[in-house]
Amino acid sequence: DIVMTQTPLSLPVTLGQPASISCRSSQSLVHSDGDTYLSWLQQRPGQPPRLLIYKISNRFSGVPDRFSGSGAGTDFTLKISRVEAEDVGVYYCMQATQFPRYTFGQGTKLEI
Amino acid sequence: QVQLVQSGAEVKKPGASVKVSCKASGYTFTGYYLHWVRQAPGQGLEWMGWINSDSGGTSYAQQFQGRVTMTRDTSISTVYMELSRLRSDDTAVYYCAREGGGPAVASHDYWGQGTLVTVSS
Repeated sequence: DIVMTQTPLSLPVTLGQPASISCRSSQSLVHSDGDTYLSWLQQRPGQPPRLLIYKISNRFSGVPDRFSGSGAGTDFTLKISRVEAEDVGVYYCMQATQFPRYTFGQGTKLEI
Repeated sequence: QVQLVQSGAEVKKPGASVKVSCKASGYTFTGYYLHWVRQAPGQGLEWMGWINSDSGGTSYAQQFQGRVTMTRDTSISTVYMELSRLRSDDTAVYYCAREGGGPAVASHDYWGQGTLVTVSS
């Protein structure tokens, strides 16, 4: 199975400053159809996860544009341009290229 | 609007089974896969498997093979996840999540509120 490794696992940030989370996969996430099925989710304390980004860099409906995703192959990054208080929580990357098996990263805890 | 509403918290003894439901609304039920993901206390997300809401076809993560069964009832737009031979380390919040369609395929675009399953003697 594909292993997803996130760094850092804990990320102290300052309000208004940028933040960046890395996600690395043990194998290329480029699917035979040419797409790369790497998504990012946010989980605020006490809430279910919420989709932020799909297919590396596409923001889901309603997601603020301060969130952006990038990367290719095995290395991916989630960036927050200016952290706000409501961004506190845990961020997960997830791969779905190895259909039908999906795997999550360990999670990165963003704290102010 | 898309909603996934799950059944309430459960307390089970080791060795028992639990069946959690997830009722969908706001979209064409048979047009999407539904996944189950669990989260042990203070831990990360663990993918359990999916069900094709149209055909009923399933795929399960290897670590749950033989213990998990996912089913659906299209007449009431509901999917079920049954986990048997429960152990204390099955204590977790269980989430259902819809797999997106169109451009958002292979991502989990909507989530249920979660169901806490506690396994304790």
